[in-house]
Amino acid sequence: EIVLTQSPGTLSLSPGERATLSCRASQSVSNNYLAWYQQKPGQAPRLLIYGTSSRAIGIPDRFSGSGSGTDFTLIISRLEPEDFAVYYCQQYGDSPRTFGQGTKVEIK
Amino acid sequence: QVQLQESGPGLVKPSETLSLTCTVFGDSFSTNYWGWIRQPPGKGLEWIGYIYYSGNTNYNPSLKSRVAISIDTSKNQVSLKLNSVTAADTAVYYCARGHHDHRDWGQGTLVTVSP
Repeated sequence: EIVLTQSPGTLSLSPGERATLSCRASQSVSNNYLAWYQQKPGQAPRLLIYGTSSRAIGIPDRFSGSGSGTDFTLIISRLEPEDFAVYYCQQYGDSPRTFGQGTKVEIK
Repeated sequence: QVQLQESGPGLVKPSETLSLTCTVFGDSFSTNYWGWIRQPPGKGLEWIGYIYYSGNTNYNPSLKSRVAISIDTSKNQVSLKLNSVTAADTAVYYCARGHHDHRDWGQGTLVTVSP
């Protein structure tokens, strides 16, 4: 199975700053089928990005995704208070689908 | 817009079978895939598997020998059964729409495995 490794584990930033989250795959992700989710405490994950770079419905344009092959990035251009959460990447190019272990974006 | 709601026992004894139901509200039930994902307390997400309305399934190999997902199109419900549970199966269980990315999720239901 494809193992996804996210870094850093925790990102401490202030509102207004730029967040750069990394997701590295143990092998190439087919068709760049890579998604990003945001999860807040006590809530289900929310889809942010699919297909590496397409924003899901209702997702603000401060969220952007990029990458290909084994290296993928989620950028939050200017952190808003509601963006402090845990972020997961997921590959769906191969079975089994797999998730990264998560990156926590916390308030500095 | 589709809404999903998980239901089932919150406590299951070791070695017994975990059974959950996901009820789908909306008009897209028969044209979608439906999946299950779980999350142990304080940990990350694990994909369990998915089913198409036709009944075709795909399971995580790590759980394949113990898991079964079924569908009842007359009730707009998807069911999950996981047998021979242990404490390691304690988690919040989510149902979600889709077999690639997951655009709609239920709120999740916590299942604790304990004597």
